[in-house]
Amino acid sequence: GAGVSQTPSNKVTEKGKYVELRCDPISGHTALYWYRQSLGQGPEFLIYFQGTGAADDSGLPNDRFFAVRPEGSVSTLKIQRTERGDSAVYLCASSLTSSGSTTDTQYFGPGTRLTVL
Amino acid sequence: AQRVTQPEKLLSVFKGAPVELKCNYSYSGSPELFWYVQYSRQRLQLLLRHISRESIKGFTADLNKGETSFHLKKPFAQEEDSAMYYCALTTSGTYKYIFGTGTRLKVLA
Repeated sequence: GAGVSQTPSNKVTEKGKYVELRCDPISGHTALYWYRQSLGQGPEFLIYFQGTGAADDSGLPNDRFFAVRPEGSVSTLKIQRTERGDSAVYLCASSLTSSGSTTDTQYFGPGTRLTVL
Repeated sequence: AQRVTQPEKLLSVFKGAPVELKCNYSYSGSPELFWYVQYSRQRLQLLLRHISRESIKGFTADLNKGETSFHLKKPFAQEEDSAMYYCALTTSGTYKYIFGTGTRLKVLA
């Protein structure tokens, strides 16, 4: 079946602009994660959704970052007033349930490469 | 704060040689530990988790709470094992995964 998909695959924007990154999780997966991966680093946790609600948004770096998942499926990561330091690959992952279960394997999308000029 | 350390950025071994990718963590409670792998031009994917005590593609990893380590081992490396490997940690009751910086494994013919 289809895996996690992310659009766009690449996004180039100018400093100060607004961007939206989209994640389509695997159908039926209730848990959804966003990560940011900068060059030479591992994925850095941003936010976790269980259903429609953000159960943990402690990884969002500041109030320019916001994410939604209004119907418990597709999620959008929104970045306002982009800065050059926001340049990174943004990864989305989904899992069937929340942590604590053998069924909670995270399945990652291909990522969106964001470049802020 | 929880932390995952992978001290080697790059590890090169010859085909057929043993491999050990190091992972150390800092967390005072009971962690759940994972190894993720990313092959060239592929997505990040789970390789194994410590609670399953499984061997995947010949790889094993044992959680050593005394040394706070979760090293990944394989007795005989294959060229297809060449990839980026990430160690990750989460804790029971939370949803936050902490990843290490990764180790690139190159298996030479």
